[in-house]
Amino acid sequence: TQLLEQSPQFLSIQEGENLTVYCNSSSVFSSLQWYRQEPGEGPVLLVTVVTGGEVKKLKRLTFQFGDARKDSSLHITAAQPGDTGLYLCAGATNAGKSTFGDGTTLTVKP
Amino acid sequence: DSGVTQTPKHLITATGQRVTLRCSPRSGDLSVYWYQQSLDQGLQFLIQYYNGEERAKGNILERFSAQQFPDLHSELNLSSLELGDSALYFCASRPGEGTDTQYFGPGTRLTVL
Repeated sequence: TQLLEQSPQFLSIQEGENLTVYCNSSSVFSSLQWYRQEPGEGPVLLVTVVTGGEVKKLKRLTFQFGDARKDSSLHITAAQPGDTGLYLCAGATNAGKSTFGDGTTLTVKP
Repeated sequence: DSGVTQTPKHLITATGQRVTLRCSPRSGDLSVYWYQQSLDQGLQFLIQYYNGEERAKGNILERFSAQQFPDLHSELNLSSLELGDSALYFCASRPGEGTDTQYFGPGTRLTVL
């Protein structure tokens, strides 16, 4: 069974601060996705990373896939209240199966 | 809007009853996934269909079943409902074998009283 551990589980910060959330596994994934979910709504895809060591930037969000394709991080610069939500990572295998982490609940206070 | 639709949005029913949740994937997507998300828990994978055939099973109870129809829409059937089945149920579709990305629907919130 492939497990994805996300940390921290909860994060509460002030507007303007920077933060990093982590997604770790002992398994190798063919790709990894990051999603953001708001209460009562479905997860929305933020990014897919495929290559070990890959770094992708989406405005104030920076995503990194570990060299060994076992872990990933999401860094947010100058967080805003609109960044509040549940951040989920999902690792995919070549068999097309995805395993989701339990998520990081981020609260950005104005 | 992800292009994945789910109905109904909310469903309230009693223990012991049976309900059917419906999902229409994005146009052209052959894969459909079902997930359950309970309060304070992450997404639990239930089952996957690809072009009408069951492809993978997760932690799906025997009281639950699903199918994918020729027009690619999918239904998740939940029977002998228990209080603990109250949760958000999400459907996701995947464009094809060449990508792992899944696009999620808005979910169905099931409340069992």
